[in-house]
Amino acid sequence: QSALTQPPSASGSPGQSVTISCTGTSSDVGGYNYVSWYQQHPGKAPKLMIYEVTKRPSGVPDRFSASKSGNTASLTVSGLQAEDEADYYCSSYAGSSNFGIFGGGTKLTVL
Amino acid sequence: EVQLVQSGAEVKEPGESLKISCKASGYSFTGYWIGWVRQMSGKGLEWMGIIYPADSDTRYSPSFQGQVTISADKSINTAYLQWSSLKASDTAMYYCARRIAGGGADYWGQGTLISVSS
Repeated sequence: QSALTQPPSASGSPGQSVTISCTGTSSDVGGYNYVSWYQQHPGKAPKLMIYEVTKRPSGVPDRFSASKSGNTASLTVSGLQAEDEADYYCSSYAGSSNFGIFGGGTKLTVL
Repeated sequence: EVQLVQSGAEVKEPGESLKISCKASGYSFTGYWIGWVRQMSGKGLEWMGIIYPADSDTRYSPSFQGQVTISADKSINTAYLQWSSLKASDTAMYYCARRIAGGGADYWGQGTLISVSS
């Protein structure tokens, strides 16, 4: 199964909003409401930011929101802060015989 | 507090064996699948396999089937990832992670860096 497609980079100025897309197929993103988003700072472990398409774990700022339309999921970071600069990965369930697939990652730069 | 604490970095030569660990605390170890994720330098994340510690039901990604062995000891709340014969291409950071519904992962270990070189 191919990786989900994410743009390699995204950027925005402090206070602005930025949206990162994650495109899959009807066999993964489009077929299930199980899209997750992870934030990874350099040298650190990934951190769950969004699960089940739109849900935020406790402790994740509400500046982070997400949605899905068809085979594409999106993560929006509003009110960008310097600490949001990191790599972001999407992930989707892809059926019971699959562990789930990741996107290639998007490097978010806060200008 | 849920924690996954992994064993430390390793430097190995090709052909050597290795077993790294992931000790869980703060939750019922037998109630969740644990997975292992590989991240090669500068690259993305890949699921290697998962294990259900309650009964050691283990499943491998096709890319890693036969290359690694995943196990767990529920008596000490620890999952393992092992290699019988390392290759230079196994050089990477390896994370354990607690799986949630739909294949996501809500808690991650700090990672174990494996370097394989002659």
